[in-house]
Amino acid sequence: EVQLQESGPGLVKPSQSLSLTCSVTGYSITSNYWGWIRKFPGNKMEWMGYISYSGSTSYNPSLKSRISITRDTSKNQFFLQLNSVTTEDTATYYCARSSGDAWGQGASVTVSS
Amino acid sequence: DIVMTQAPLSVSVTPGESASISCRSSKSLLHSNGITYVYWYLQKPGKSPQLLIYRMSSLASGVPDRFSGSGSETDFTLKISGVEAEDLGVYYCMQATHAPWTFGGGTKLELK
Repeated sequence: EVQLQESGPGLVKPSQSLSLTCSVTGYSITSNYWGWIRKFPGNKMEWMGYISYSGSTSYNPSLKSRISITRDTSKNQFFLQLNSVTTEDTATYYCARSSGDAWGQGASVTVSS
Repeated sequence: DIVMTQAPLSVSVTPGESASISCRSSKSLLHSNGITYVYWYLQKPGKSPQLLIYRMSSLASGVPDRFSGSGSETDFTLKISGVEAEDLGVYYCMQATHAPWTFGGGTKLELK
């Protein structure tokens, strides 16, 4: 059974970078597509981007050049980096298999000084 | 970006009754390969979203068959035939036909 687990700081200061790790067990990230989605306070959900089985990436243009998704296939992990964060980046961040059938439990991140 | 307009914002249902949630897209979601990449998720309180329906009408593994999805190129419906207590939460539609993938605003299902 595939399982995903997010990890990373729960508090980030404005203008700094947000970095999260998604650890995947039970399935290789060299297959399929793997993405990051965030849920803002309230109900709004936003797809941030994904990394493919080959390492290619696709990002939401709304995040412009602030986002980077990378991976370490030896550890079966993929990563999210979001630069120059503001309070508007406060959200719960989820990693998921892009087929939608497997999600992490979510990582709550607050951007505050 | 494709706008997914979901309705209603909330719905209150007596257990055993049926419920329908609508999602309308700002553009056709029929891909050139003939597949309509519309997904439905349920997020139960304190949990991660769980996949209910994929490709507009296919039931995800392990999901009870009281859930069903249907639609056209721009109008989509999730139907729950015989709501149960475990179905409460927030329902989302999502499109993955056009980048960037986009979500509806969510529908909260409550029990009477």
